[in-house]
Amino acid sequence: EVQLVESGGGLVQPGGSLRLSCAASGFTFSSYWMHWVRQAPGKGLVWVSRINSDGSSTSYADSVKGRFTISRDNAKNTLYLQMNSLRAEDTAVYYCARWASYGKRHWYFDLWGRGTLVTVSS
Amino acid sequence: EIVMTQSPATLSVSPGERATLSCRASQSVSSNLAWYQQKPGQAPRLLIYGASTRATGIPARFSGSGSGTEFTLTISSLQSEDFAVYYCQQYNNWPSERLTFGGGTKVEIK
Repeated sequence: EVQLVESGGGLVQPGGSLRLSCAASGFTFSSYWMHWVRQAPGKGLVWVSRINSDGSSTSYADSVKGRFTISRDNAKNTLYLQMNSLRAEDTAVYYCARWASYGKRHWYFDLWGRGTLVTVSS
Repeated sequence: EIVMTQSPATLSVSPGERATLSCRASQSVSSNLAWYQQKPGQAPRLLIYGASTRATGIPARFSGSGSGTEFTLTISSLQSEDFAVYYCQQYNNWPSERLTFGGGTKVEIK
């Protein structure tokens, strides 16, 4: 079955760290760019970070730059998000999502995980 | 950063009626726009890309239109399973430009 399964969320104190994982199965993980997208409780979707297929290029939203690190292990079919210096405003459900294209002309998230909840609170 | 603005925030529609959702970009994104549907407790689902192309398996009652800065998602005859939140997302100049989502439109039962 083609799927993404996130894990690693939980309750962490402000200033703490957490590492999220996203296990991919049913497709050739190493062929796809991957992203993290988050959603604060009752709020909309916000793009967080992306990584290219071989892990050599990354990008981040300004709100997490310098605190979060995206990485991947293609041998393990797993995407990661290392989150440091966490703040209350980082509280959200974190989704990993696969980035696909139609003819390298149009791009979209065509596969999403169910998300993992990160709560930053003392 | 390109700002995406969706309106209205909430749309009350009766089953069987048409729903029209709007999305505006702060600068032209050409046709580089996608629409997603999200139901409570679920991950988003791709509906439309390229502003008007339905994704695989998406019913024909969903249609997208527009280009530049003004976009519309139309649901021609709302079914019970269509009541959800809808997000637009631009991917203009990918990967140079960052991806941004609109704030969402909630379609609720009238």
